[in-house]
Amino acid sequence: KQEVTQIPAALSVPEGENLVLNCSFTDSAIYNLQWFRQDPGKGLTSLLLIQSSQREQTSGRLNASLDKSSGRSTLYIAASQPGDSATYLCAVILRNAGNMLTFGGGTRLMVKP
Amino acid sequence: GAGVSQSPSNKVTEKGKDVELRCDPISGHTALYWYRQSLGQGLEFLIYFQGNSAPDKSGLPSDRFSAERTGGSVSTLTIQRTQQEDSAVYLCASSLTWNSPLHFGNGTRLTVT
Repeated sequence: KQEVTQIPAALSVPEGENLVLNCSFTDSAIYNLQWFRQDPGKGLTSLLLIQSSQREQTSGRLNASLDKSSGRSTLYIAASQPGDSATYLCAVILRNAGNMLTFGGGTRLMVKP
Repeated sequence: GAGVSQSPSNKVTEKGKDVELRCDPISGHTALYWYRQSLGQGLEFLIYFQGNSAPDKSGLPSDRFSAERTGGSVSTLTIQRTQQEDSAVYLCASSLTWNSPLHFGNGTRLTVT
């Protein structure tokens, strides 16, 4: 059974700091990996999707990398801002799981002004 | 609308009653997912629809839960004889294809008293 783990569970940083969120998964036979952001009381917003054949994706101040062989992905946030405060979740689609997304538990990020 | 719409946004029901939760996906999206998020917990997969294929119901927690997707568009999640442990936020998501970014609705917060 695929397990997706996100460390740390919570993170507090001062504004302006560059930071890295980690996601690990136990089964490397994935189709893609997605990073999401969830604000309190809201649904999830897709940030980046990395196909299994790709190594990284960038969008603005966000950069996500994927290393399938080691079962890891990182989300890099440059020059963090208070508006980045949210819970960040990663999810993978397994090749042998009927296209179901398996989510990590999330990292709750607080960026202090 | 531009996004995934879920209704109602909040539902309070008495134990033992049946409830129906509705999801309007983005027009043209072939894939539709239902997830459940309990307080302080991660996302739990419930059911997945892809085009005209038989749905993946492997995540439904009991036979009190059922879902349908009519005409490849609107989906309804039905919970019969609700129990207090059914209290959670029920999230719907859709994607253009199974390998595309997911778009989530804001969820229905279900409280069973």
